[in-house]
Amino acid sequence: DSGVTQTPKHLITATGQRVTLRCSPRSGDLSVYWYQQSLDQGLQFLIQYYNGEERAKGNILERFSAQQFPDLHSELNLSSLELGDSALYFCASSPTGGESSYNEQFFGPGTRLTVL
Amino acid sequence: GEDVEQSLFLSVREGDSSVINCTYTDSSSTYLYWYKQEPGAGLQLLTYIFSNMDMKQDQRLTVLLNKKDKHLSLRIADTQTGDSAIYFCAEIRLYSGAGSYQLTFGKGTKLSVIP
Repeated sequence: DSGVTQTPKHLITATGQRVTLRCSPRSGDLSVYWYQQSLDQGLQFLIQYYNGEERAKGNILERFSAQQFPDLHSELNLSSLELGDSALYFCASSPTGGESSYNEQFFGPGTRLTVL
Repeated sequence: GEDVEQSLFLSVREGDSSVINCTYTDSSSTYLYWYKQEPGAGLQLLTYIFSNMDMKQDQRLTVLLNKKDKHLSLRIADTQTGDSAIYFCAEIRLYSGAGSYQLTFGKGTKLSVIP
């Protein structure tokens, strides 16, 4: 158990809908990272938040957004969903903001999103 | 290219050694990582190597680094059925605009251990 929790575990929805995925980092970790894992693209970095502020953006679509709250939990919002958004979405946390090149991240168990 | 490359599948017999290979892209990567993903679980850091090292050994795991060829390998000695999982190679890249380092993963190698 990494100490990172994600809810829900599974989510099934229809095209065009909007969903929110939730992540609670390990106690004391200030950074939260979101990743998308799909069969064809592998594990793609989406976005990082550090202590409530956006820190780095990866391959995140404009239809997707995230935020980190004062208690450091984070939410990933996915809107206007398409079939291709079906994937596993992972959250990870780390103690620092990624300033060091040693960046150990602790992953949650993921949310499996299925768009029908 | 831009991608971290790994072969997708590897099958070995229980008790044999497994070697999982990876080619990374950024010669300035200071750390390279191996993560393990068991079925239904998130990724777990298995081991890492600092770029000024050629080899790192940790119990049954041996990591070899060839910086000239940007090639990384993970050897698992005496492979057990519990080692069946997906193994991801990852390099660290600096997002210069953000001033933060991010992990870039390969697509993962699925290791199947035959009893």
